[in-house]
Amino acid sequence: GENVEQHPSTLSVQEGDSAVIKCTYSDSASNYFPWYKQELGKGPQLIIDIRSNVGEKKDQRIAVTLNKTAKHFSLHITETQPEDSAVYFCAASGGYQKVTFGTGTKLQVIP
Amino acid sequence: GAVVSQHPSRVICKSGTSVKIECRSLDFQATTMFWYRQFPKQSLMLMATSNEGSKATYEQGVEKDKFLINHASLTLSTLTVTSAHPEDSSFYICSAITYGAGLSNQPQHFGDGTRLSIL
Repeated sequence: GENVEQHPSTLSVQEGDSAVIKCTYSDSASNYFPWYKQELGKGPQLIIDIRSNVGEKKDQRIAVTLNKTAKHFSLHITETQPEDSAVYFCAASGGYQKVTFGTGTKLQVIP
Repeated sequence: GAVVSQHPSRVICKSGTSVKIECRSLDFQATTMFWYRQFPKQSLMLMATSNEGSKATYEQGVEKDKFLINHASLTLSTLTVTSAHPEDSSFYICSAITYGAGLSNQPQHFGDGTRLSIL
């Protein structure tokens, strides 16, 4: 089955700096890669996703890149704000298969 | 759009009680709903996948007689934790998705979870 590794497990940045979270996956059949943000005591919220037919996708301060050859994908948050503080999960799936989540990154943005 | 409501948000009950958690898709029809369990500071662990009108598919190690799942309509799935014990205390989260012809690779939309505490 699919295995998704996520790094780092914790990340502290100063407000206004950028944050980068990296993930790797093992199943070359995976072709859909969503990213979720989970605030304390709440369910995960989809913030951006990318499909394998594109290498990069951007939505305001958030961008995701995908390297299919290396089986890497990354989340980039620019101009971080305190409200970006949360746990972020990457995930991978293929077609109608279940989603495999990474282990999560706790992001702390220091004002 | 794509709102998933989960109820209740928190349950505290005595050991031996059965607890039912509801998951509703409010503004879309969900062909498939997923139930997850999450321990503190850990990732989401898939418990089961439920498709409307059919039996749920449980992940390895998840007791189907312990965690009863019903998905009777395209907007409602329920998880019943039967004869709950302290070790069942956890954060349970549901998600919903719509699959269809040509609609693979759709995002899951999550509820806000249920904090279950068994005394």
